Amino acid sequence: GEDVEQSLFLSVREGDSSVINCTYTDSSSTYLYWYKQEPGAGLQLLTYIFSNMDMKQDQRLTVLLNKKDKHLSLRIADTQTGDSAIYFCAEMSDYKLSFGAGTTVTVRA
Amino acid sequence: EAGVTQSPTHLIKTRGQQATLRCSPISGHTSVYWYQQALGLGLQFLLWYDEGEERNRGNFPPRFSGRQFPNYSSELNVNALELEDSALYLCASSPGVVRIYGYTFGSGTRLTVV
Repeated sequence: GEDVEQSLFLSVREGDSSVINCTYTDSSSTYLYWYKQEPGAGLQLLTYIFSNMDMKQDQRLTVLLNKKDKHLSLRIADTQTGDSAIYFCAEMSDYKLSFGAGTTVTVRA
Repeated sequence: EAGVTQSPTHLIKTRGQQATLRCSPISGHTSVYWYQQALGLGLQFLLWYDEGEERNRGNFPPRFSGRQFPNYSSELNVNALELEDSALYLCASSPGVVRIYGYTFGSGTRLTVV
């Protein structure tokens, strides 16, 4: 995932909002995704956004896309202990998904 | 609907041996993707199969190979195993060219090379 960059760690207090940031390089990417990986598990698709959208909201999740800066963010409202996981940003490019290194989110009481 | 299934869950091999990992996609999905998730390296794209053909390959040596069967299930073979091949290998599937909803991943095979 050298074309997709994310910060590696985020610590957040339970009940607060989490914001995970991502930058990507392929301006032709049409679709961008957020996946969640819990310990010992595979990847679960959380949400996706099309490149012609600026924002998408899905319950506690809000995705913001800034195409000009190639910046994608995921906001989790009212973060819970079950949100502790690794979050991956991914772009669809050349018919394959390219992933960032993942952001490990730790929720503290 | 059954998800993407991978077998075995865990695999321990000795350096120099061969490993075979298997993946069954979601029913109706024709594309299968393989990724390697090594510690500290994120997810690295390995291979993409669609309709029985290899469509794309990541930056891995030729000892990483695979195939897709007529029922769209897939095998990943790793020959001449090296210690650094130890990783979680994830398989994903999608309904062919319709990828807008991303991929569905299996739970992975944990390969340990000793």
